Amino acid sequence: KAGVTQTPRYLIKTRGQQVTLSCSPISGHRSVSWYQQTPGQGLQFLFEYFSETQRNKGNFPGRFSGRQFSNSRSEMNVSTLELGDSALYLCASSLLSGSANEQFFGPGTRLTVL
Amino acid sequence: DQQVKQNSPSLSVQEGRISILNCDYTNSMFDYFLWYKKYPAEGPTFLISISSIKDKNEDGRFTVFLNKSAKHLSLHIVPSQPGDSAVYFCAASKRIGNNRKLIWGLGTSLAVNP
Repeated sequence: KAGVTQTPRYLIKTRGQQVTLSCSPISGHRSVSWYQQTPGQGLQFLFEYFSETQRNKGNFPGRFSGRQFSNSRSEMNVSTLELGDSALYLCASSLLSGSANEQFFGPGTRLTVL
Repeated sequence: DQQVKQNSPSLSVQEGRISILNCDYTNSMFDYFLWYKKYPAEGPTFLISISSIKDKNEDGRFTVFLNKSAKHLSLHIVPSQPGDSAVYFCAASKRIGNNRKLIWGLGTSLAVNP
């Protein structure tokens, strides 16, 4: 079974631009969660999608948004990029919604904002 | 407000000895706990979990202990191997309405020296 894939793996943007990151979950998994990882803040939960519906949301501004498609693939969008958005963005999939289930992580997208 | 705390940012252990990684939490509503391991340039991978109805769960070289009265859990790795060198994240899950929320610690970087 293929693992979670994320594209692109690396991205460089400038302040004010917007970016879209993509995540393909493990086949059969319907839940996709997004996280931001920075050195001083650990893993910060962004949101979770299950069956195309946002189930949970973290404490991020509205510039961060996401969506999930009928095939469970998910995209995350960040508008009006700020320097502080530079981070590793991780996507995780699980069979069911709810974080008590084991999550399988992708390799992440390293975003650098200049 | 860091609800899940891993107070040791780093730990260094000799190969063959025991590694003990600690995690404290503040909210008694957490009822499920997970440990993940992360290598550089990869997403975290699930290691082991424990439900709040148990006080110990063992899987090979990895054992997680839960002390609910102290709101403390620990991950023991015996014997430690150089390949165990990674960042270890503790995560705690609680139910909120019909959903679950997962809160992550900041991680402990383990170095196992040959």
